[in-house]
Amino acid sequence: DQQVKQNSPSLSVQEGRISILNCDYTNSMFDYFLWYKKYPAEGPTFLISISSIKDKNEDGRFTVFLNKSAKHLSLHIVPSQPGDSAVYFCAASLPFNSGYALNFGKGTSLLVTP
Amino acid sequence: KAGVTQTPRYLIKTRGQQVTLSCSPISGHRSVSWYQQTPGQGLQFLFEYFSETQRNKGNFPGRFSGRQFSNSRSEMNVSTLELGDSALYLCASRPRLAGGMNTGELFFGEGSRLTVL
Repeated sequence: DQQVKQNSPSLSVQEGRISILNCDYTNSMFDYFLWYKKYPAEGPTFLISISSIKDKNEDGRFTVFLNKSAKHLSLHIVPSQPGDSAVYFCAASLPFNSGYALNFGKGTSLLVTP
Repeated sequence: KAGVTQTPRYLIKTRGQQVTLSCSPISGHRSVSWYQQTPGQGLQFLFEYFSETQRNKGNFPGRFSGRQFSNSRSEMNVSTLELGDSALYLCASRPRLAGGMNTGELFFGEGSRLTVL
């Protein structure tokens, strides 16, 4: 049962433009959301996160928006650069208690063209 | 600071065999978790260890097991390998903040790519 969904397997954007990656979730108990970036033959790298008590978090060119009522979050990359070309995974976690696990989406492959 | 180290990076096994994968977390990280990545399913949680205790387990059969040692290093084992076990196995560690709270970010290794023939 996929609780975190990334419905767009791929996205192509021109350099300098905005990239918007979307993610939907079904479990209203999730309280922490993360985005990871993955290059081929490397492990995922943490990009940015947001707590459920916030609706926006910004870090340089990366901004994550959370809409709890819609159970939707998005990652905005502005401006997009060719080096941003990678697979982006959305992930969500339940409240920290005795155990911790991330629920990942299946990823969106972003291609930024010059 | 060295990152999460996984060995071996690549391995090929045949059906019915068993395999052991190793993970050394970032120094000071006591939580280690394992994920399986396949093209069809994305990243799926296998289990998490903290202070040598398994705290959480994903929805995988009992053929998948793990353990953590006193130095926080972890191993996972898959017995009676099946073709469907071919995947990238990722280990991740998690830091602990002052005051005992864990952060949410996982730091991943580069993975062990297992091919089952």
